[in-house]
Amino acid sequence: DTGVSQDPRHKITKRGQNVTFRCDPISEHNRLYWYRQTLGQGPEFLTYFQNEAQLEKSRLLSDRFSAERPKGSFSTLEIQRTEQGDSAMYLCASSWRDLGDTEAFFGQGTRLTVV
Amino acid sequence: GESVGLHLPTLSVQEGDNSIINCAYSNSASDYFIWYKQESGKGPQFIIDIRSNMDKRQGQRVTVLLNKTVKHLSLQIAATQPGDSAVYFCAENLPSGQNFVFGPGTRLSVLP
Repeated sequence: DTGVSQDPRHKITKRGQNVTFRCDPISEHNRLYWYRQTLGQGPEFLTYFQNEAQLEKSRLLSDRFSAERPKGSFSTLEIQRTEQGDSAMYLCASSWRDLGDTEAFFGQGTRLTVV
Repeated sequence: GESVGLHLPTLSVQEGDNSIINCAYSNSASDYFIWYKQESGKGPQFIIDIRSNMDKRQGQRVTVLLNKTVKHLSLQIAATQPGDSAVYFCAENLPSGQNFVFGPGTRLSVLP
């Protein structure tokens, strides 16, 4: 499978715990995006990387959210001190950008439930 | 599995009919657009894209139309099949290309 891969698919955690999600993009893609999706809504942009550089992070929902892409390949999204309002689907996408954009392909997402 | 789009606008069509899903995008400077299909419990799936220098693009059973004057995008699905039932999102991208901004989505329901 050469698509975008996310792990885990589902995560149930207690409020106050930290969680980390992993995304493996399509190997030749230089851009990686993180989105959040709640029921009845379209995906909401959180942050993105161009290779290993995080070029936009002002949309991260709070300072409890952080993302890394240390070697320009896989990425992790961490949520510290989870709250019930963090329950959502977290989606990763990747694309190739050179002179212009190309299609962004999404993974299957990680469903987070905070209890 | 998870249900996407519980309170979204719904379009119901008979199997075999053509479907037209509409989207109003927000930024007149957007120059690249994508239609995605999302089934319950899954991530958005790329269907077709179009750049702002075009007003029509065709794929297999799907056609996207772009009207930049009124900032309107539409997705036409020919001979709609039960497997087309899903939530459909349009997404726009600015020339700066920072991220894709998604519309609110439309649920397509195919009736037998």
